[in-house]
Amino acid sequence: QKEVEQDPGPLSVPEGAIVSLNCTYSNSAFQYFMWYRQYSRKGPELLMYTYSSGNKEDGRFTAQVDKSSKYISLFIRDSQPSDSATYLCATDTGGFKTIFGAGTRLFVKA
Amino acid sequence: GAVVSQHPSWVICKSGTSVKIECRSLDFQATTMFWYRQFPKQSLMLMATSNEGSKATYEQGVEKDKFLINHASLTLSTLTVTSAHPEDSSFYICSARDGRGQVDTGELFFGEGSRLTVL
Repeated sequence: QKEVEQDPGPLSVPEGAIVSLNCTYSNSAFQYFMWYRQYSRKGPELLMYTYSSGNKEDGRFTAQVDKSSKYISLFIRDSQPSDSATYLCATDTGGFKTIFGAGTRLFVKA
Repeated sequence: GAVVSQHPSWVICKSGTSVKIECRSLDFQATTMFWYRQFPKQSLMLMATSNEGSKATYEQGVEKDKFLINHASLTLSTLTVTSAHPEDSSFYICSARDGRGQVDTGELFFGEGSRLTVL
């Protein structure tokens, strides 16, 4: 079993839709949860960062962590074609080893 | 956020030659940097962890003699692909943690990546 599971997609949605991206993880010691966005042929960029359980909102993006079910989510409201990218979830114990999910490829159609 | 610069962004070389990729933290000190390899449509594969002033820690299956890592200063780590072969063609990405804070928050800042093509 992988430590972080993420459906690679692809996920295709129309412009304006609400997008839900999800990951599950297996190690209850993970404390830090991140979402990275990676455009084609570019390095990943940090999109959202949360510590422990709860929600965090930044503009159209909401990150959600449920430690009881080991489930992390990223919601994108009013999705735009410019949101088309690969979204990587990642988690960390604080022990200098970040574990990445496989990445979900998202396509937002105009 | 913190900025990590990676150079070159794209390199083509002949089989048997060596290629060096640089990773610089521009506005913070990075005691630890990471090197990844990414194949098309796949996630990041951690190759090694680079610690300033000490030897890199390589992940299982990564050849130390082929992928030489040097972290000579708090702002620079280099990856040298030695005697490159076509199967080494890939997208190489570095990342760094901002070591200024007292608590490691797990945030990683990535370079733009370097696309290596070995002919």
